[in-house]
Amino acid sequence: DAMVIQNPRYQVTQFGKPVTLSCSQTLNHNVMYWYQQKSSQAPKLLFHYYDKDFNNEADTPDNFQSRRPNTSFCFLDIRSPGLGDAAMYLCATSRGDGDYNEQFFGPGTRLTVL
Amino acid sequence: GQNIDQPTEMTATEGAIVQINCTYQTSGFNGLFWYQQHAGEAPTFLSYNVLDGLEEKGRFSSFLSRSKGYSYLLLKELQMKDSASYLCAVRDSNYQLIWGAGTKLIIKP
Repeated sequence: DAMVIQNPRYQVTQFGKPVTLSCSQTLNHNVMYWYQQKSSQAPKLLFHYYDKDFNNEADTPDNFQSRRPNTSFCFLDIRSPGLGDAAMYLCATSRGDGDYNEQFFGPGTRLTVL
Repeated sequence: GQNIDQPTEMTATEGAIVQINCTYQTSGFNGLFWYQQHAGEAPTFLSYNVLDGLEEKGRFSSFLSRSKGYSYLLLKELQMKDSASYLCAVRDSNYQLIWGAGTKLIIKP
């Protein structure tokens, strides 16, 4: 089945220790998104790529970076995680930005910062 | 600023009907989505409205009034598995999704 895969599902890191979260998709979608979601809050868009065009949300901290080496893969790098970065990180894809284009989500990576 | 409002929590009884409301103020409008999110899991797509009116899909229906900046999700014949958060999201003029914080729906036997 075509899908969005995130690894790992659970990630524990130490305060200030860099961590990388990965996402892959078999849907061949043009657009990939990274969201941060904290408990009982709306998903917060961090970045999105339309093909290789990178779009950084204005309020995404500099501590967060992203890479999309090819259509299928996208990575979220957190350079120096703080306690406030503990959250669920969701990767999503869509065919494009226009018209009816629902976003398909991966299962998420829950990040714990000790 | 852009804003999506939905009730924080609702409770309903198994077998009953529940309506979850969403009001929005966004810069432009290019469609409204409803997603279901079970605890600890990713959101899954439920419905999409871009024109005024009611869209029905099985036990779930979604309504949109663009002039009022208002939508609702109607769930019929509630089942215990419908216990989840329901997120309303609006696509703005830049085709960015603006998300609500979600409504936690609790189903009681």
